[in-house]
Amino acid sequence: GEEVAQTPKHLVRGEGQKAKLYCAPIKGHSYVFWYQQVLKNEFKFLISFQNENVFDETGMPKERFSAKCLPNSPCSLEIQATKLEDSAVYFCASSDGTAEAFFGQGTRLTVV
Amino acid sequence: GDSVTQMEGPVTLSEEAFLTINCTYTATGYPSLFWYVQYPGEGLQLLLKATKADDKGSNKGFEATYRKETTSFHLEKGSVQVSDSAVYFCASRRGGADGLTFGKGTHLIIQP
Repeated sequence: GEEVAQTPKHLVRGEGQKAKLYCAPIKGHSYVFWYQQVLKNEFKFLISFQNENVFDETGMPKERFSAKCLPNSPCSLEIQATKLEDSAVYFCASSDGTAEAFFGQGTRLTVV
Repeated sequence: GDSVTQMEGPVTLSEEAFLTINCTYTATGYPSLFWYVQYPGEGLQLLLKATKADDKGSNKGFEATYRKETTSFHLEKGSVQVSDSAVYFCASRRGGADGLTFGKGTHLIIQP
């Protein structure tokens, strides 16, 4: 597609439940990035992919967060056993390797 | 690692005032530089970009010039409108599989 598509737009989970977020990058883009935006606006880098390979996962909380980008499927970000502090908007972006990265509209995760 | 520093605000101006939002960066080499805008409840939109020193990015009356000597990319607009009220993010990126490094965002409020 011509835009980065993130689903769902909103997600509510009880503490301890699993949350799974999806991102379809722009067709032809090899690079995918996930960011977490918490209430104070700051963007925290989580993970990046080059095709289906993890490129940089230095921002990922290893214990509960995982992500995949498999061929012919949307990329996914999964949070096991969600905590209140995971409440945030999660943004996905894709790039063809040039300077610009294109962002999706985000998924707002609320953990209650 | 790379970092981006911008004034955090909130910045409150009257309509038709001149706007400057300062942004400086530290990076290895010469990254591309960006300004993104986020309207309330929405995702990130690219406002403008510059990919090399002395480049000027411009869009919707906003401008920013890539200054290598001062490692800056200040955002300016000659006459702001109420509709410019949003959060503005300065960011750098080295391209390829590298993600964006964001500043903390500047909340701009334009009063009629």
